[in-house]
Amino acid sequence: QLQLQESGPGLVKPSETLSLTCTVSGGSISSSSYYWGWIRQPPGKGLEWIGSIYYSGSTYYNPSLKSRVTISVDTSKNQFSLKLSSVTAADTAVYYCARHNLPLNWFDPWGQGTLVTVSS
Amino acid sequence: QSALTQPASVSGSPGQSITISCTGTSSDVGSYNLVSWYQQHPGKAPKLMIYEVSKRPSGVSNRFSGSKSGNTASLTISGLQAEDEADYYCCSYAGSSTFGVVFGGGTKLTVL
Repeated sequence: QLQLQESGPGLVKPSETLSLTCTVSGGSISSSSYYWGWIRQPPGKGLEWIGSIYYSGSTYYNPSLKSRVTISVDTSKNQFSLKLSSVTAADTAVYYCARHNLPLNWFDPWGQGTLVTVSS
Repeated sequence: QSALTQPASVSGSPGQSITISCTGTSSDVGSYNLVSWYQQHPGKAPKLMIYEVSKRPSGVSNRFSGSKSGNTASLTISGLQAEDEADYYCCSYAGSSTFGVVFGGGTKLTVL
């Protein structure tokens, strides 16, 4: 079945850029109808959608993060990536990737998540 | 783009039914039948439980049901079981002008 796995540094310094990759297995990232999304969850808090990308490269971002976020896709590697610039301690969170049925607004399945801590 | 409003916590005894509300606005929940619900156990990734307000994915127990009235969506769990104890999050489409996906703040369900 479809599985997603996040990878990247667990510690990022303030003002630097957070970079994560999500590897999709058990299916093609080029599947029609589905976007691929990033969601984060600060420790002890709720979920926040960051943005989503289609295999063609079309993207949608959370307006509150849009100025700092770039999501890209590499279909040859069946991966998509997140870059979040100028990070602060407020960006410390568990970052999840998930398949996103954008037209119908649901996320499934999700990766296991990866904790990224912003600290000097 | 504000978060949807959920009660911080709800509780119920085994076998009982509980309902978790998710209140938005006429710009999100009230305008689209695109509400989904997620269950999250501690230290685990969220799991899709309900989509398009009331549809259940394959494999999700029929004890879980969803509904919507006006700007408020609801998740009902009947026949509460110990394994239902978890955090629950609602999620709504929030309009095409800025394209938004907005989550609720989450509700902690305790099975007494």
